Amino acid sequence: QVQLVESGGGLVKPGGSLRLACEASGFIFSDYYMTWMRQAPGKGPEWVSYISSSGLTAYYADSVKGRFTISRDDAKKSLFLQMNSLRAEDTAIYYCARDLGRRYRSGWCDSWGQGTLVTVSS
Amino acid sequence: EIVLTQSPATLSLSPGDRATLSCRASQSLNTYLAWYQQKPGQAPRLLIYDASNRATGIPARFSGSGSGTDFTLNISSLEPEDFAVYYCQHRSNSLTFGGGTKVEIK
Repeated sequence: QVQLVESGGGLVKPGGSLRLACEASGFIFSDYYMTWMRQAPGKGPEWVSYISSSGLTAYYADSVKGRFTISRDDAKKSLFLQMNSLRAEDTAIYYCARDLGRRYRSGWCDSWGQGTLVTVSS
Repeated sequence: EIVLTQSPATLSLSPGDRATLSCRASQSLNTYLAWYQQKPGQAPRLLIYDASNRATGIPARFSGSGSGTDFTLNISSLEPEDFAVYYCQHRSNSLTFGGGTKVEIK
């Protein structure tokens, strides 16, 4: 079955950096667009970024553009999110999610990991 | 930027009741809308996509309808496990979520 396992979260000071990873299994990773979502405490989900199946195209929410970079390593079946210049408002659970479409982008996320908590605080 | 407004914020119902949740968009979405369910401590789960298509494994009591700016998620007869928060989501180059509707036990 599809499994997504995030790692790399933790406590970081404002202005610091963190790299999240998501290890995928149970499906052909290279066939799918992949997405990072986040959810601040007590709030709804927020889209962060997605990357095409080829890895050549990526989109970012305005709130993270220029600070976060999404990437993927198909050989390792892994998705990454490099987060720089972190702010208090980036505090959230970060989820990696798979797009519903195979070899095309649907925009819907049909599988999610359990999330990893990022806390930005001095 | 498209804004999704969900109503009501909270729905207090009993098991066996019918639930009707609304999602209104600030501009036409065609049928590019999905619904997710989220329980405490869990990730969101895709229920409905393209306004009316049930995702794999989703029970038939969940149904979605609508197009343009007005969308509805119906749960025909609430089961105990359906009490949760529900979000609608639109997709364009970006992904946008509504503020959520909490379905709580009356």
